[in-house]
Amino acid sequence: DIQMTQSPSSLSASVGDRVTITCQASQDISNYLNWYQQKPGNAPNLLIYDASNLETGVPSRFSGGGSGTHFTFTISSLQPEDIATYYCQQYDNVPYTFGQGTKLEIK
Amino acid sequence: QVQLVESGGGVVQPGRSLRLSCAASGFTFSSYGMHWVRQAPGKGLEWVAVIWYDASNQYYASSVKGRFTISRDNSKNTLSLQMKRLRAEDTAIYYCARGSDCSGTTCLPDAFNLWGPGTAVTVSS
Repeated sequence: DIQMTQSPSSLSASVGDRVTITCQASQDISNYLNWYQQKPGNAPNLLIYDASNLETGVPSRFSGGGSGTHFTFTISSLQPEDIATYYCQQYDNVPYTFGQGTKLEIK
Repeated sequence: QVQLVESGGGVVQPGRSLRLSCAASGFTFSSYGMHWVRQAPGKGLEWVAVIWYDASNQYYASSVKGRFTISRDNSKNTLSLQMKRLRAEDTAIYYCARGSDCSGTTCLPDAFNLWGPGTAVTVSS
């Protein structure tokens, strides 16, 4: 199985800050990587697909990059409504696997 | 209205079975791969299973292979997950999620862009 390692596991930042989360795959997954946001009590919500493509309706302050084994997810200017847990997920090979999540809090 | 709604969760004893359903509406269900994803209390997301749009293939997480069966009825726009020999570690919220759109000549990325609200399964004696 492909292991997805996210860092950090938690992050505290101020409104307006630039925030970056990284996701490392245990083997080359090309660009077959998605990013999701999950707020407490809710189902996840797709933000980025194919590593860098913004899902329709998602604010442009969210972006993704990378390929192969190293990926990044960035919020250019943190907003209060961005408080959530973020997950990366590979779909290069079954079983699909998620990172362990990054819990984002406001400082 | 484009939506997925899960049902069938509940409390079940270890070793027993349970069947989850996911009703799809507002989109062409038969064109999409469909997934089950679960989340144990206070934990992260775990992918469980996928079934292709035409039911030609199914794949499972190692933790459920041989115990869980994913199926679909495209005539009823319904996805199912039959769970057998349940264990305490299967306790989770179970989400169905829409995956790859295969309505064109090639399938689009397998990104889960529609999720149900989830149904809770508790395995306990």
